[in-house]
Amino acid sequence: KNEVEQSPQNLTAQEGEFITINCSYSVGISALHWLQQHPGGGIVSLFMLSSGKKKHGRLIATINIQEKHSSLHITASHPRDSAVYICAVRLDFGNEKLTFGTGTRLTIIP
Amino acid sequence: SQTIHQWPATLVQPVGSPLSLECTVEGTSNPNLYWYRQAAGRGLQLLFYSVGIGQISSEVPQNLSASRPQDRQFILSSKKLLLSDSGFYLCAWRKTGTWEYNEQFFGPGTRLTVL
Repeated sequence: KNEVEQSPQNLTAQEGEFITINCSYSVGISALHWLQQHPGGGIVSLFMLSSGKKKHGRLIATINIQEKHSSLHITASHPRDSAVYICAVRLDFGNEKLTFGTGTRLTIIP
Repeated sequence: SQTIHQWPATLVQPVGSPLSLECTVEGTSNPNLYWYRQAAGRGLQLLFYSVGIGQISSEVPQNLSASRPQDRQFILSSKKLLLSDSGFYLCAWRKTGTWEYNEQFFGPGTRLTVL
C-alpha cells in the first residue's frame, strides 16, 4: 500500500463544475504539498499546508491532520485547469524527502 | 526573481551510453537542490538532493550519480544508461532555513528516452 493515496485517479467534468480531489496518507507528516503538472510535464507548486486551509484564486486546499487527509478544491472549473494534480507529503522537518501520490488526471470539458 | 533551468529538454540515448543532465538556479544563493524522476505511468521519485556544494545524498541506489560543482548547479550523470532509466527528470530547488521554506520549485524537466 502506498503511503500517499489520491482519489480519483481520473476525473472528467464540465466547465464550471466544483472539483474535489482527495489525498490520504498513512504516516505522520510535517507538511503536505499540492502540485500541478501540465501536459508538457512542467510542475507548479500550488500549496504547502501543515494545518487548516489555504486559498489562492479559485483553488482551495484543506488538511485534517487527525484524519490524515487533504482535499484540493477548484471552484468554477475551466478547461485550462486540465492537468495532473499531485499530492506529496514530507515526513518530518529534518527530512528532505517528499513522498508523492500517483496523481489525479483532471479534464475539464468546455 | 528566481528561475530554474534544465537542459536538454529532450534526449534520446542508446543503452550503454553516458548521460549528463544539467540544472541551474538563478536569483538565489545556497539553495537545496533535488533531482526527481517520473517513470511512465508512475509517480515522482526523489533520486538525489544536495544541501551544499559537494554534498550529495542519494535516496535510491542505481546507476545514476549526482554532483554539485557550484552553488547553483546540479548535474545528474550516468556512465552507462539502462532501458529503465527512461523517464522525465525534474530538478527542483527550495530555500534553506526554517520549515516555512519547504515549498519546492520545479524546473521544466528533461524527457529521456533510452533505446
